[in-house]
Amino acid sequence: DGGITQSPKYLFRKEGQNVTLSCEQNLNHDAMYWYRQDPGQGLRLIYYSQIVNDFQKGDIAEGYSVSREKKESFPLTVTSAQKNPTAFYLCASSTLAGNYNEQFFGPGTRLTVL
Amino acid sequence: GQQVMQIPQYQHVQEGEDFTTYCNSSTTLSNIQWYKQRPGGHPVFLIQLVKSGEVKKQKRLTFQFGEAKKNSSLHITATQTTDVGTYFCAVSGVNDYKLSFGAGTTVTVRA
Repeated sequence: DGGITQSPKYLFRKEGQNVTLSCEQNLNHDAMYWYRQDPGQGLRLIYYSQIVNDFQKGDIAEGYSVSREKKESFPLTVTSAQKNPTAFYLCASSTLAGNYNEQFFGPGTRLTVL
Repeated sequence: GQQVMQIPQYQHVQEGEDFTTYCNSSTTLSNIQWYKQRPGGHPVFLIQLVKSGEVKKQKRLTFQFGEAKKNSSLHITATQTTDVGTYFCAVSGVNDYKLSFGAGTTVTVRA
C-alpha cells in the first residue's frame, strides 16, 4: 500500500524539550514538505526538500530543524526555541515531474506541549 | 510565497442548497490547486487548474479559473453532509513547486 505515514498521531511533551516527528513515504517522490496547521488557519510551510541532503526554509522555519538523509524520510524536530509549538503538523510529498504536481499528505501529528 | 485570500471563512449551508467559495490573488497565478480536509483528517487533492477561464467538473463540484488568472471559485450544488470539511486553494509560482495555501473555507451542513 503506497502512501505517507506519520507517527505518532498524538504527542505530548513538556516545555523545553526537543521532539522529533517522523514522516516516511513509499511513493518514490522527490519532494517532501512540512506544514503547520493552527485552528482556523491554513497550512503554513515550515521546511521543504527536493533532493536527499538538501532542504530549504519555508515561511515559518524558526525553532524547527529537518534532515533528509534518505529519499523516503523527512523527520522534523521541534526545538525548545519554538515559542508556540502546540499545533497539528502535516507532512506531504510530491513528484517533481512537470511544473505542477499535487501534494499527498500524511495523517498528521497533533503535538501538545504542556 | 504568493498570497491568496479565501472567502468566506465559514459557510453554513442547508442540505440541498448550493454554495460557492472563492480564492483571490492580487497577482497573476500560474496555476491553482484545490484541496479538501475533512474534520480530523488531512488535506486531499481535488483538482488543478492551469488555463485562463478553465472550468472543470467533478460530479456536484465545479471549479473555475478566472480569465485573468487572479481568482478561482469552487461551486457545490445540492450540498450533502459528505461535503462537510474545509476547502483550501493553493498556488505556486512559475517554476516553483512549493505551494502557498489559503486560510480555507470551513463548510458545515444543516440537515
